Amino acid sequence: DTEVTQTPKHLVMGMTNKKSLKCEQHMGHRAMYWYKQKAKKPPELMFVYSYEKLSINESVPSRFSPECPNSSLLNLHLHALQPEDSALYLCASSQDTPGAFYNEQFFGPGTRLTVL
Amino acid sequence: GESVGLHLPTLSVQEGDNSIINCAYSNSASDYFIWYKQESGKGPQFIIDIRSNMDKRQGQRVTVLLNKTVKHLSLQIAATQPGDSAVYFCAEIRDKVIFGPGTSLSVIP
Repeated sequence: DTEVTQTPKHLVMGMTNKKSLKCEQHMGHRAMYWYKQKAKKPPELMFVYSYEKLSINESVPSRFSPECPNSSLLNLHLHALQPEDSALYLCASSQDTPGAFYNEQFFGPGTRLTVL
Repeated sequence: GESVGLHLPTLSVQEGDNSIINCAYSNSASDYFIWYKQESGKGPQFIIDIRSNMDKRQGQRVTVLLNKTVKHLSLQIAATQPGDSAVYFCAEIRDKVIFGPGTSLSVIP
């Protein structure tokens, strides 16, 4: 199984809502990532988890809260978002050695988020 | 600042022709580069990679060339097919991954 799955596919939320994005992989990868991608732009790294521990936070606002409950799952909790947070949120996973970024990343299809 | 960029944001190619997508990078310390393909409605997909100790690497119908002297990377797609239509990103790897702005490739049947 070389697939990364993400749910939901689409999400519309108000600025006062709390929602969560979910990501799952069963490739035995120990590095998992969240990216944000605006329309017609490249993905921007948000968070990296290595062996279920947060290793990189790219100065992401606290209204985005990542969680890695186990080696197969990655969540992104959303609270009090702004309309400018509307984007495609991509999850990815990879092997973690010799260094997470030096391995092929497998991306999920993303969650299309709209904040009203 | 440091950046990875592309010379052409859009590229239209006749089916069967070869495509060349270019990318410039600014940090000579980068030692690993990846090309990704992103089709509409999908996440990026790894195509091919190259390390800085190489200047050329070939895959199936794709070739990546690296010119460290001018900090330039290119992706060549042979016999371009309609299924190659997508946005292509180069990515520069150091302590993290930095994606270039992307080139949209359209294949004309």
